[in-house]
Amino acid sequence: AQSVAQPEDQVNVAEGNPLTVKCTYSVSGNPYLFWYVQYPNRGLQFLLKYITGDNLVKGSYGFEAEFNKSQTSFHLKKPSALVSDSALYFCAVRVPSGSARQLTFGSGTQLTVLP
Amino acid sequence: DTGVSQDPRHKITKRGQNVTFRCDPISEHNRLYWYRQTLGQGPEFLTYFQNEAQLEKSRLLSDRFSAERPKGSFSTLEIQRTEQGDSAMYLCASSLVTQGYNEQFFGPGTRLTVL
Repeated sequence: AQSVAQPEDQVNVAEGNPLTVKCTYSVSGNPYLFWYVQYPNRGLQFLLKYITGDNLVKGSYGFEAEFNKSQTSFHLKKPSALVSDSALYFCAVRVPSGSARQLTFGSGTQLTVLP
Repeated sequence: DTGVSQDPRHKITKRGQNVTFRCDPISEHNRLYWYRQTLGQGPEFLTYFQNEAQLEKSRLLSDRFSAERPKGSFSTLEIQRTEQGDSAMYLCASSLVTQGYNEQFFGPGTRLTVL
């Protein structure tokens, strides 16, 4: 069975500072990994994905994430946080083959960027 | 707007009533997913369709839940004899499955409140 852990329910960072939102995963085989963001009363918006290749992937709004196979992690990062980045962030995993086509999500991390 | 749409956005019902939600995926997306999200949790997979065929159902999908995608376009999710525990946000997502993997695009969700 596949699973995702987001160890921090809440992350606070000052505007202009770098931010990191942590994610670790457990899956049999090579994973597909994703980050989504959710603003209040809205659906999830896709930020970025890792399928294969370069471990550092770049996504929307200046976000990037680093795939670390040995640590089974896929942490989300941004060099300089904006107040508008404040939202709920979800990490998700999927196996590339087999019957489990759905995404398995973590419980989410609330990011608050303080002005 | 060419994104995933869901209707209604909010539904309040009394325990024991039946409710039906609709999802219109992005045009030409052949895969459609339903997820449920409760407060403080990430979305949980319910079921998915490839074209009109329902290919997988989660154990979360009790026999009171039924989903259809009759013409391979829009989908409906019906909950019969609603219970207070059914209160949640119901999210629909769609993707275009070709070679390789394409991310899922989510709709804004239908928030169900069972009194």
